Amino acid sequence: EDQVTQSPEALRLQEGESSSLNCSYTVSGLRGLFWYRQDPGKGPEFLFTLYSAGEEKEKERLKATLTKKESFLHITAPKPEDSATYLCAVQATGGGETSGSRLTFGEGTQLTVNP
Amino acid sequence: NAGVTQTPKFRILKIGQSMTLQCAQDMNHNYMYWYRQDPGMGLKLIYYSVGAGITDKGEVPNGYNVSRSTTEDFPLRLELAAPSQTSVYFCASSYSQNTEAFFGQGTRLTVV
Repeated sequence: EDQVTQSPEALRLQEGESSSLNCSYTVSGLRGLFWYRQDPGKGPEFLFTLYSAGEEKEKERLKATLTKKESFLHITAPKPEDSATYLCAVQATGGGETSGSRLTFGEGTQLTVNP
Repeated sequence: NAGVTQTPKFRILKIGQSMTLQCAQDMNHNYMYWYRQDPGMGLKLIYYSVGAGITDKGEVPNGYNVSRSTTEDFPLRLELAAPSQTSVYFCASSYSQNTEAFFGQGTRLTVV
């Protein structure tokens, strides 16, 4: 069974204080790892997809990295507008074309950035 | 493009009532999904579809039904609502099985 564990559950940072969010996963074979941002009362918004260990992607103050067991979302010099819940999800290989579209989500990390 | 549109945004149901949550996308995506999100929990997959006329169960399908008669629409039917179905429901779509999913704004459902 695919499993995704995110830590910490909640993180408070001061504006400008860099940190990292962790996503540990167990999957039979990884097709892709996805990071989403979710604001209160809204649907998740796509950030990154990572496909293989060693891959990195960046977008503004965010950088996502991937190893064979976990992914990190690094936040550099965060601003209050970066406050949100960050969700990690994995998509497993196998099971044919119809099964490959299923995502398993972690419970998220709630990030608060204080001015 | 409106993306993924869900209606209604909020709904209160009484135990035993039925309702349909509507979802429409205008991106011509083949793949569509229904998730539920309980407080402090990750999203759980209820049902998904890989194209018109094709649907399959996800992780938590009991108490729900879906249909996919067109590429654009993917309604979720709740029969005999129960308090355990109180949740926020998200519909999503993706171009293919390897690409990112786009989510709607969600429907907050309370069963009393």
